[in-house]
Amino acid sequence: NAGVTQTPKFQVLKTGQSMTLQCAQDMNHNSMYWYRQDPGMGLRLIYYSASEGTTDKGEVPNGYNVSRLNKREFSLRLESAAPSQTSVYFCASSKGQLETTEAFFGQGTRLTVV
Amino acid sequence: QQPVQSPQAVILREGEDAVINCSSSKALYSVHWYRQKHGEAPVFLMILLKGGEQKGHEKISASFNEKKQQSSLYLTASQLSYSGTYFCGTEAGNQFYFGTGTSLTVIP
Repeated sequence: NAGVTQTPKFQVLKTGQSMTLQCAQDMNHNSMYWYRQDPGMGLRLIYYSASEGTTDKGEVPNGYNVSRLNKREFSLRLESAAPSQTSVYFCASSKGQLETTEAFFGQGTRLTVV
Repeated sequence: QQPVQSPQAVILREGEDAVINCSSSKALYSVHWYRQKHGEAPVFLMILLKGGEQKGHEKISASFNEKKQQSSLYLTASQLSYSGTYFCGTEAGNQFYFGTGTSLTVIP
């Protein structure tokens, strides 16, 4: 079982460049999430999708957009990268709402913006 | 909205016990616990649900005090493999928040 797959694993961008982080899950989960992880700050929610066709903002959505392409895939786009977006990005999925079901995480994307 | 964890870091010798605490300013229906090893993704340990139901790990236990809006994770007879950063997670307002983490290091 692949679980949650993120691509790429590493990326270096120049300020102002754009890129899309890809995430796919093969567990038939309804909900998907994008988090960023910075030292000392834990995991912070960027966007989430409770079900196919819906997306909502999390704690730190500014500078990001998302697309729930289908039930399997949830992408995160940086339109104009800034050094403050240097972080490790994790995609996660869950069968239902995280209130009652666990999250499964991808292996992360380490992004550096110079 | 982010739950508060304590301590921020702890170092144990193999075989010792540890307690990690998580508290929230919001009423809780459930609390999650995850462990993340360096350079890896967080991995689910357990969920504690309001009403006492607990789902998760065999060798690590936890408590959930709904009235105090707190949860504690108990690691007994720690093993080297327990090293990592532990996160609690709580749901509030249809969003899910993780704590800032507790770094646990087990040494021989």
